[in-house]
Amino acid sequence: NAGVTQTPKFQVLKTGQSMTLQCAQDMNHNSMYWYRQDPGMGLRLIYYSASEGTTDKGEVPNGYNVSRLNKREFSLRLESAAPSQTSVYFCASSDRQNQPQHFGDGTRLSIL
Amino acid sequence: RKEVEQDPGPFNVPEGATVAFNCTYSNSASQSFFWYRQDCRKEPKLLMSVYSSGNEDGRFTAQLNRASQYISLLIRDSKLSDSATYLCVVNRETNAGKSTFGDGTTLTVKP
Repeated sequence: NAGVTQTPKFQVLKTGQSMTLQCAQDMNHNSMYWYRQDPGMGLRLIYYSASEGTTDKGEVPNGYNVSRLNKREFSLRLESAAPSQTSVYFCASSDRQNQPQHFGDGTRLSIL
Repeated sequence: RKEVEQDPGPFNVPEGATVAFNCTYSNSASQSFFWYRQDCRKEPKLLMSVYSSGNEDGRFTAQLNRASQYISLLIRDSKLSDSATYLCVVNRETNAGKSTFGDGTTLTVKP
């Protein structure tokens, strides 16, 4: 069972470049989330999608955009990468809003 | 004040010890609660849900105290493999889709 799949697993960018992080889940979950985790810190919510067709800002949305492409897929885009966006990015999904979340194994992103 | 607070630790305990973590939350409207485990540089994984009546899964016991607004995790007979960071998670029904994660408590179990 794949669960939540994130691509790529590692990426190095130069300041100002753009890229899209991909996330797909095969559990037929309604809600999907993007988090970032910096060294020694907790998870911070960037954006979430409570259901297909909706997206909302989380705690740290600046510098990011998202697209809920369909029920399975939720992508995160960095339009103009900055060194402050160097982090580990986790995608997660849950069946409903108050159910436990299942995480992908993360994308490690470095911006030089 | 953070919405969800945990003692960061680290907790260093010998094998076989019993260790307990607490997590406090500030919003009394919180509806569902979970404990996750995160190994170094890995994704968080659900350890257990926390029910009002308390629940047990093997060596792990989770409890909820709504009056004092905290949840707890008790680990009995600690194993080396229990070494990890433990995250508590609080959901509010009214805050659709958003879970609040604590920053985590680090546990190291030593031989």
